[in-house]
Amino acid sequence: GAVVSQHPSRVICKSGTSVKIECRSLDFQATTMFWYRQFPKQSLMLMATSNEGSKATYEQGVEKDKFLINHASLTLSTLTVTSAHPEDSSFYICSATDGPGELFFGEGSRLTVL
Amino acid sequence: GIQVEQSPPDLILQEGANSTLRCNFSDSVNNLQWFHQNPWGQLINLFYIPSGTKQNGRLSATTVATERYSLLYISSSQTTDSGVYFCAARNSGNTPLVFGKGTRLSVIA
Repeated sequence: GAVVSQHPSRVICKSGTSVKIECRSLDFQATTMFWYRQFPKQSLMLMATSNEGSKATYEQGVEKDKFLINHASLTLSTLTVTSAHPEDSSFYICSATDGPGELFFGEGSRLTVL
Repeated sequence: GIQVEQSPPDLILQEGANSTLRCNFSDSVNNLQWFHQNPWGQLINLFYIPSGTKQNGRLSATTVATERYSLLYISSSQTTDSGVYFCAARNSGNTPLVFGKGTRLSVIA
């Protein structure tokens, strides 16, 4: 199957700093990428949908100014958590697709904000 | 939007036992996937199965799209099968997958 690579896998940062997470489709062109967040012992919740070259669409309750998403190319989307706080600590997972079929997921990024 | 429900929420099995996990969805789907989330959080894609039946080793899955459910079968379970199993579905073009709440499986030796 297709490969989606996410980096970094783990990051620890101080409160108030910004963290960038990258999501790359390695062997296909991802017209659409999705960002999910997962809190401990919970399911994956969609944060936003990004289409290459256009602004991301955020789910209700997700602050667009805190979670900046950029999808500048068909193989790369980035999520930047700005001015991170301890409550932003979570597991962030991206997924990518080139159409209506199967979605492929990255390995996830575990963010800990001290 | 589409809703996805999984059952049971928790399951404890003796090693070697078989099990069936169920996923119900509220609308027609063009994509249904089963995942196993390992202890490190990584989602392992088990099946892409919007309809029909597939098998991969000790695992198999069946989706009956007309009746809006999918089943994941685990045979001869092993301790390494432990973890959370998620079903996720979507019903049109470039919409995201909606996840169920998962089934937490514990296989004990």
